[in-house]
Amino acid sequence: QQQVKQSPQSLIVQKGGISIINCAYENTAFDYFPWYQQFPGKGPALLIAIRPDVSEKKEGRFTISFNKSAKQFSLHIMDSQPGDSATYFCAAAGGSSYGKLTFGQGTILTVHP
Amino acid sequence: GAVVSQHPSRVICKSGTSVKIECRSLDFQATTMFWYRQFPKKSLMLMATSNEGSKATYEQGVEKDKFLINHASLTLSTLTVTSAHPEDSSFYICSAAPRSGGATDTQYFGPGTRLTVL
Repeated sequence: QQQVKQSPQSLIVQKGGISIINCAYENTAFDYFPWYQQFPGKGPALLIAIRPDVSEKKEGRFTISFNKSAKQFSLHIMDSQPGDSATYFCAAAGGSSYGKLTFGQGTILTVHP
Repeated sequence: GAVVSQHPSRVICKSGTSVKIECRSLDFQATTMFWYRQFPKKSLMLMATSNEGSKATYEQGVEKDKFLINHASLTLSTLTVTSAHPEDSSFYICSAAPRSGGATDTQYFGPGTRLTVL
């Protein structure tokens, strides 16, 4: 009930391409869906987040698409750059979780120059 | 804004010793702080939730007597790994949720502490 499933596990794209990472959740009480970016040896950094009252949120090259009926959300990175190479985690919170985040398994993104 | 610091960034200790890790919210007050553990190439595993002025809530399977958490103020939480052993070696990360008038789920993460127990 509390799981968040993330795919793919790893992703390789060429510079300038679009990176797409998908997440699916089970708990319908979740109402907050952030994405975090993590570089090796560093803590996760909040990238972008969405709540279920909107189906899409865009910040610069990063877009979250949210499908409430399918219980899925995805991160799109447009014009991917080598500096975007990192591990990306989706997460979800809400309901009785009292602010606790449930994380996906992570996606290692590599952007080739 | 929303900066969380951790100290130390790296620590190496001998088996049987105790290690204290500090987590500070530098530019906001945090009602709640969380402590995570992360193994190489793995996701973050929540260890405990720390609320200022009250006892921490530990996740299932986390030994509260081994991982002591103190949330002394709205800007400081500490994690003490007691009688550390090699299997406690890991990357420990804290996060802080800003205090606000309503419920918030936003968490800001610290840079992490690499603990190596010899």
